[in-house]
Amino acid sequence: NAGVMQNPRHLVRRRGQEARLRCSPMKGHSHVYWYRQLPEEGLKFMVYLQKENIIDESGMPKERFSAEFPKEGPSILRIQQVVRGDSAAYFCASSPQTGQPLSGANVLTFGAGSRLTVL
Amino acid sequence: RKEVEQDPGPFNVPEGATVAFNCTYSNSASQSFFWYRQDCRKEPKLLMSVYSSGNEDGRFTAQLNRASQYISLLIRDSKLSDSATYLCVVNSGYSSASKIIFGSGTRLSIRP
Repeated sequence: NAGVMQNPRHLVRRRGQEARLRCSPMKGHSHVYWYRQLPEEGLKFMVYLQKENIIDESGMPKERFSAEFPKEGPSILRIQQVVRGDSAAYFCASSPQTGQPLSGANVLTFGAGSRLTVL
Repeated sequence: RKEVEQDPGPFNVPEGATVAFNCTYSNSASQSFFWYRQDCRKEPKLLMSVYSSGNEDGRFTAQLNRASQYISLLIRDSKLSDSATYLCVVNSGYSSASKIIFGSGTRLSIRP
């Protein structure tokens, strides 16, 4: 049972290019979360998706960032026209469900992350 | 005020010592709480859930104080391998749009 798979693990882009980060959740998990972690800082929530639905994107920057989780295939975090400040580790996590906090059903499992470097 | 606050540390303690961290949260409606561990340049991994009655897993004990809105993590007989950043995580409610909020982490370094 593979865990959360993220690729690429490392991505280098020049300013103005596009970055696409992919995340396949654990088998049986239908909820995907994207987090960003800047060097020496904590994880910052970006977006929460279920299949074909964006549930909460309150942490997404208003411009250049978008996310999707299609019916088939991985979730994708897309960053257009990257800038140096986008350099960070982007972690994807999945969970089987939310809404039952004491059952542990909403425990997150993280992928190994995608490290974006913008030159 | 941040939704979840942790002392960033670093805590630098000798092997075998007992160390404790606290984490405070601002949303009194928060329902589930966790401690995650993150090693340098790795992904966070669940250490333990935190239940109202408190819970223990080997050398690790987690406590929840709803009245004062904080959770704690106690590590006894610390090992070199316990060196990591410990993240407090709070789930703010039942809604399907709930956010799971991570604290910025407390860095722990165990010295020989």
